[in-house]
Formats: sequence, C-alpha cells, structure tokens
Amino acid sequence: AQSVTQLDSQVPVFEEAPVELRCNYSSSVSVYLFWYVQYPNQGLQLLLKYLSGSTLVKGINGFEAEFNKSQTSFHLRKPSVHISDTAEYFCAVTRGVQAGTALIFGKGTTLSVSS
Amino acid sequence: GAVVSQHPSRVICKSGTSVKIECRSLDFQATTMFWYRQFPKQSLMLMATSNEGSKATYEQGVEKDKFLINHASLTLSTLTVTSAHPEDSSFYICSGNNNYGYTFGSGTRLTVV
Repeated sequence: AQSVTQLDSQVPVFEEAPVELRCNYSSSVSVYLFWYVQYPNQGLQLLLKYLSGSTLVKGINGFEAEFNKSQTSFHLRKPSVHISDTAEYFCAVTRGVQAGTALIFGKGTTLSVSS
Repeated sequence: GAVVSQHPSRVICKSGTSVKIECRSLDFQATTMFWYRQFPKQSLMLMATSNEGSKATYEQGVEKDKFLINHASLTLSTLTVTSAHPEDSSFYICSGNNNYGYTFGSGTRLTVV
C-alpha cells in the first residue's frame, strides 16, 4: 500500500524568505505525485504534479518540486514566499498508474508566513 | 479549466436524519469520482471510489450502508449520509477524475446536532 509522509506539520517563515516543504512516499509500484494547497473551508487547488519526464516540476504561484526516485521524495519549494501563501499544503500520490486510481494524501503541512 | 460544483457548502441536520451531498462536473466527464472526509486540521481520508454506472468501492472501515454513493452519470455523483450522528460531522470533499486530472469540489461542512 502507498503512504505519504509530510515531515513537517508546521512551517513558520518570514515574508520573502525561501521555503521547502518536505514529502516522502512509500510504494511498491510506480506512482504519480501531486502537491495541493487548501485555504480554510475550501477545496483543494492543484499546485503541480509529476507524471513523467523532467524531475523538476514547475507549478503555479512560483512553486516548484523535484521528484527524487532514489530517495522517494517530492519536496516543494518556493524561493520567496508571500503572506498570501499562508495555507495548508498536501502532498499526494496515486495508488498506481492505472486510469481512475485514487489519490492518497499526506497529513499536511501548515505554512505560516509572517511579515 | 475543469470545475466540480459541490453542494451544499454547509449543512446542519438533526441526529437520525439523512443528508445528501451532490457533486457535478461542469465542463468535463468524470469517469471516476472519489469521496474524501477531512477532520479538522487533518488530512483527507479516502472513503470510496465510484465509477459511472457501477457500485462504489469503499475503503476498509467505511460503512457502505451509512454512506451511500451514487454515480448515475458521468457528470453527477452523490453521497448520502444516512441516519447521521454527531460523529459524522466532518468536511466532505469530492474529486472528479479524468485522465489523471483530479478536480476537487469546494467541500461540504456537515454538522450533526
């Protein structure tokens, strides 16, 4: 079975500082990887995803992530954060690569950006 | 882009009653719909997977008779919480899937009193 570990439950950071949110996964089969952001009482918005190809993936709002197969990691980074980036971030993996496969989520990381 | 409309956004119901949550994919056909449950400050837990015209597949520990899922068409899926109790209070989110695109609804906050 797949599992996702987000290594930091909370990450406080000052505005304009860089940030990295860490995600490791475990799976015996190939997977696809995703990062989502959730604002209070809202659904999830896709930041970026890795399906294949270049291991460095660029997403929306200046976020990027790097897939590292040997370390089974998919860490999310942003070089300079804004107050508006304050939210909950979820890393997710698919259960496999077949069509219609479900997403399994990590426990989330709360990013708090202060001035 | 792809949009999933989820209604209602909030619902308060009395213990013992049933509540229906509806998710519609507005501009794409969701071959598969996933239903998640999220407790405060926690992750999304997969409840069930449904394919259009088929019975839903429930995750271990999820009561299929309590959480009734219907996926009658490629654009509509419903979750009915039957005989709701306070412990069913939670945030429920649906996700429509089409070719590795996962589009999430905005969620339903269910409070059972």
